[in-house]
Amino acid sequence: GAVVSQHPSWVICKSGTSVKIECRSLDFQATTMFWYRQFPKQSLMLMATSNEGSKATYEQGVEKDKFLINHASLTLSTLTVTSAHPEDSSFYICSARGQGALETQYFGPGTRLLVL
Amino acid sequence: AQSVTQLGSHVSVSEGALVLLRCNYSSSVPPYLFWYVQYPNQGLQLLLKYTSAATLVKGINGFEAEFKKSETSFHLTKPSAHMSDAAEYFCAVSDRNQFYFGTGTSLTVIP
Repeated sequence: GAVVSQHPSWVICKSGTSVKIECRSLDFQATTMFWYRQFPKQSLMLMATSNEGSKATYEQGVEKDKFLINHASLTLSTLTVTSAHPEDSSFYICSARGQGALETQYFGPGTRLLVL
Repeated sequence: AQSVTQLGSHVSVSEGALVLLRCNYSSSVPPYLFWYVQYPNQGLQLLLKYTSAATLVKGINGFEAEFKKSETSFHLTKPSAHMSDAAEYFCAVSDRNQFYFGTGTSLTVIP
């Protein structure tokens, strides 16, 4: 149980385009989803926290207009990188927290974004 | 405030040897503690978690960790390393609102 999927796993796009990444909880309802960014050989950096049906809470230094997060249902959150630039290239990982064990997050497999 | 320190960014062990990955935490509230493993280009897989039950926690793949409040530690161990254990390991502390990750330890297993 507690499976989280992400789509796509890899995306390559041209500079200036927008990219949408989906995060789904497959076998549980996720009241809260988290979006992280990971640079090579580094730990995870929390970008934002989203609760179903409400606006996401962004961490300091994260541009909310560049990284649009939508958590429209209890099983789906999306991260849209708008007008992507090469510096946005990174590994993006989502996680989800259910209604039961609130202290535990279950992570998706990640999405590798390369902006040319 | 919560924080996690992982001592040793790189650990190398011989196949069959003991694995010990160190994690110390700081928490202003009773902590929830986790170990996750990450293989290249993949997300994080939960190895085990401590949520105030038994102090010795057994996880998947033969890993276990012991919560020691007096030492504010939650070290991860495995009696005998396998080649498939080579990966990045992250310790994390949760205050139920968000996670605070350590910087990770890269484990290399030498054949």
